[in-house]
Amino acid sequence: AQSVTQLDSQVPVFEEAPVELRCNYSSSVSVYLFWYVQYPNQGLQLLLKYLSGSTLVKGINGFEAEFNKSQTSFHLRKPSVHISDTAEYFCAVRNRGDKLIFGTGTRLQVFP
Amino acid sequence: NAGVTQTPKFQVLKTGQSMTLQCAQDMNHNSMYWYRQDPGMGLRLIYYSASEGTTDKGEVPNGYNVSRLNKREFSLRLESAAPSQTSVYFCASSPDNYEQYFGPGTRLTVT
Repeated sequence: AQSVTQLDSQVPVFEEAPVELRCNYSSSVSVYLFWYVQYPNQGLQLLLKYLSGSTLVKGINGFEAEFNKSQTSFHLRKPSVHISDTAEYFCAVRNRGDKLIFGTGTRLQVFP
Repeated sequence: NAGVTQTPKFQVLKTGQSMTLQCAQDMNHNSMYWYRQDPGMGLRLIYYSASEGTTDKGEVPNGYNVSRLNKREFSLRLESAAPSQTSVYFCASSPDNYEQYFGPGTRLTVT
């Protein structure tokens, strides 16, 4: 069965520094990959998705992620973070015909 | 266009009480989902409905029931609440089983 691992439960970073949030999944057969962001006391909103095609995916708010099939990874990156990026980030994976599986989340804390 | 709405936003129940969480979407999506979110555990699927008139169990269905009342509405019922059901509950909908759109959540405390 598909599983998703977000190794970092918390990532502290200073404003304007680059950040990478890591995501690995278990099965690479026909996967669809997503990153969601959850701001405090809100629901989840989609940051970006990979369904097919180019392995570098650009999303909202300057985030991007790269699908790496050989390493079964889909890491999220931003070259320069802002205070407003402080939130929890969830990686999610779905095999064709199956349900969406979420990782346990990474809390990004941006300090001034 | 309100997207996905959930009521209530907050609820406190005593052990053994029952309640229904309501969810509605105005995006004409076929699929709807109920998740619970607990610290350090991400989101876990309780039940989902691939289309009007169908419902299926997810990862953690015990203690819950659902009703897909029509294409817009998908309710989650706790028949006899337990402290282990203290959580934040999210409803989501999807047009094509790819990306999902989430409601703002219901914070439930069972004492």
